[in-house]
Amino acid sequence: EAQVTQNPRYLITVTGKKLTVTCSQNMNHEYMSWYRQDPGLGLRQIYYSMNVEVTDKGDVPEGYKVSRKEKRNFPLILESPSPNQTSLYFCASSLTGASNEQFFGPGTRLTVL
Amino acid sequence: GESVGLHLPTLSVQEGDNSIINCAYSNSASDYFIWYKQESGKGPQFIIDIRSNMDKRQGQRVTVLLNKTVKHLSLQIAATQPGDSAVYFCAERGTDSWGKLQFGAGTQVVVTP
Repeated sequence: EAQVTQNPRYLITVTGKKLTVTCSQNMNHEYMSWYRQDPGLGLRQIYYSMNVEVTDKGDVPEGYKVSRKEKRNFPLILESPSPNQTSLYFCASSLTGASNEQFFGPGTRLTVL
Repeated sequence: GESVGLHLPTLSVQEGDNSIINCAYSNSASDYFIWYKQESGKGPQFIIDIRSNMDKRQGQRVTVLLNKTVKHLSLQIAATQPGDSAVYFCAERGTDSWGKLQFGAGTQVVVTP
């Protein structure tokens, strides 16, 4: 089944403890992206990747890192999480960076205490 | 599953009626406008897109209208069904940065029997 998977689905952590949220797609998509979703703010783009080894900042990149070493994986790294990073995170992929149809993962609910 | 706590505009529609969801956008340079649907506990799902050089586009049971003069976008859903209950987001993409996608805050649609 063609899909985007994220792990973990739920995570509670403490301030300053490094964490990684994984994202993987099995559709051979070139483009991948991370969003965070907060009440009343819609989805805000954190980082995106047009292809392997190419990453760019979205609208809210502060406090996050990403890497794209392989086409299928696009992990989101929080080096030193803070409570304001408590949010619902979505990974998405699309065939190319010019594609409007993005396929989203199921989301990761992160709570930073 | 995951969903975001809501303080969204809400549209209540009776089953079988037509729905009209509105969106105001800010960037005159946006090249594409896209509608996504997010059901409770799931990631957003692509519905339809429209390029800035068009004013209307139709899909299956959906029509998107674009009014560039007043920077307004609407999504019309014909014969609304219970499965149409969801949060609907408009998004825009510019030509200067293909990978960047900006979402609006969303509208909650509730279909009543």
